[in-house]
Amino acid sequence: DIVMTQSPDSLAVSLGERATINCKSSQSILYNSNNKNYLAWYQQKPGQPPKLLIYWAFTRESGVPDRFSGSGSGTDFTLTISSLRAEDVAVYYCQQYYTPVRTFGQGTKLEIK
Amino acid sequence: QVQIQQWGAGLLKPSETLSLTCAVNGGSVSGHYWSWIRQTPGKGLEWIGEINHSGSTIYNPSLKSRLSISSDTSKNQFSLRLSSVTAADTAVYYCARELGYCSGGACYGGTFEYWGQGTLVTVSS
Repeated sequence: DIVMTQSPDSLAVSLGERATINCKSSQSILYNSNNKNYLAWYQQKPGQPPKLLIYWAFTRESGVPDRFSGSGSGTDFTLTISSLRAEDVAVYYCQQYYTPVRTFGQGTKLEIK
Repeated sequence: QVQIQQWGAGLLKPSETLSLTCAVNGGSVSGHYWSWIRQTPGKGLEWIGEINHSGSTIYNPSLKSRLSISSDTSKNQFSLRLSSVTAADTAVYYCARELGYCSGGACYGGTFEYWGQGTLVTVSS
C-alpha cells in the first residue's frame, strides 16, 4: 500500500494568518499518461464525517472557499489556507487514489493560536 | 442533493458479524461507486472496500477474507458485512459515494464526495 505521511501532526495559527499542511506519499501518485496527481484533501470537524475539499491535488470541490488551495506533484503535496478563519479549526487529511486500495494520511490537527 | 442514511448494530461480541446498510436519497446506487471507510483513534481513516455501479467489488486485502459488500438497486441501498469481528474492528464506520473518474477508456472510483453520518461499532465481550 502507498503510505501517506502528513506534517506536522498539529498546527496552531493565528486568525488571518496562513496555514500550511504537508503530505508526502511513499511513491509517486502522478499518473504520467494524464499528468494528474491522484491526491485529495479532506476537512473533518468533531462529530462529523470528513468533507472533501480538494481533488486532483488542486481542484477545489464545489462550494469550498478559495482560501483553500492545493499544490504539489509526484510525492510532495501541500494544503494551504491563505487566511485562517475560526471555522477552519478541524483535522485535515490527505488521501491517495492512485491505487485501488485508497489510503489516508494520519491527519493534521489545526487550531487557533 | 445527495443524502446517505446509514444504520446497523452498534454493539457486537467477538466472533459475531458486523452488518451495516446505507440508503441513498437524491441519487441512484446503480449510477455510482460506493465505499465503506472506518475510523479509529489509533489507525485513523482506513478504506474498507468498494462496490461499483455494475456490482463489482474491490476489497482492502487486509480485510478481504472477512468482508462482503453488496447492493440492492431495488431499495437504492448498499451494505457491508464483516465476519468474525474482534476488538480491533471497533471503529466509526462510514459509507460514502465516490467522485469517480474515467481514464483510458475505463472508469474508476476515487475520492469520497458524499458521506453517511457514521456508525460507532463497538466489539466487546
